[in-house]
Amino acid sequence: QLQLQESGSGLVKPSETLSLSCDVSGGSVSSSGYSWAWIRQPPGKGLEWIGYIYYSGNTYYKPSLNSRVTISLDRSRNQFSLRLTSVTAADTALYYCARVTTLLFDYWGQGIPVTVST
Amino acid sequence: QSVLTQPPSVSGAPGQRVTISCTGSSSNIGAGYDVHWYQQLPGRAPTLLISHDSIRPSGVPDRFSGSTSGTSASLAITGLQAADEADYYCQSYDNALSVVFGGGTKLTVL
Repeated sequence: QLQLQESGSGLVKPSETLSLSCDVSGGSVSSSGYSWAWIRQPPGKGLEWIGYIYYSGNTYYKPSLNSRVTISLDRSRNQFSLRLTSVTAADTALYYCARVTTLLFDYWGQGIPVTVST
Repeated sequence: QSVLTQPPSVSGAPGQRVTISCTGSSSNIGAGYDVHWYQQLPGRAPTLLISHDSIRPSGVPDRFSGSTSGTSASLAITGLQAADEADYYCQSYDNALSVVFGGGTKLTVL
């Protein structure tokens, strides 16, 4: 059974960089045909897709976040990561990692809360 | 403002049938992109409920069904149960914006 687990800093200062990782077990981030995504959910609000990285390394980001987002793969650790620069309070959210297949999200992590505050 | 529009809330009594709509446009649902539905139980991560418009993943009861027509999609839940109380999200792909979600619908079982 595929499992995903987010990790990283839960508190980030405004203007700094948010960094999260997602450990994948029960499967490989190098498996062909799959992508690996980040999705967030601000408190009390809906889901927002951030971006995803294809198993080959190609990346696709939400246009409004494109200038601040980087998603990368670490095949040796079987994990993928999110970097979001120049954060503001609007980036406070529960961040989920997920597997993507045929443009849908079939496995999700439990989520990690991230607060942007001084 | 979400690209896919859902009603903020719906409700129904146990045993009843409810439907949740998801309205898009010619650049997403109307362009032929599949619609997927997720269920988010309170305090939990979302789980895939319906894929590719109407396919139930293994383990999803047949009380849940999905359909699409034109620029809209619908999720129907029959035989409503207390355990169905959750937030429901539709998701598709948009020519301009890539992956898009609906704003979510809170289902209350009366």
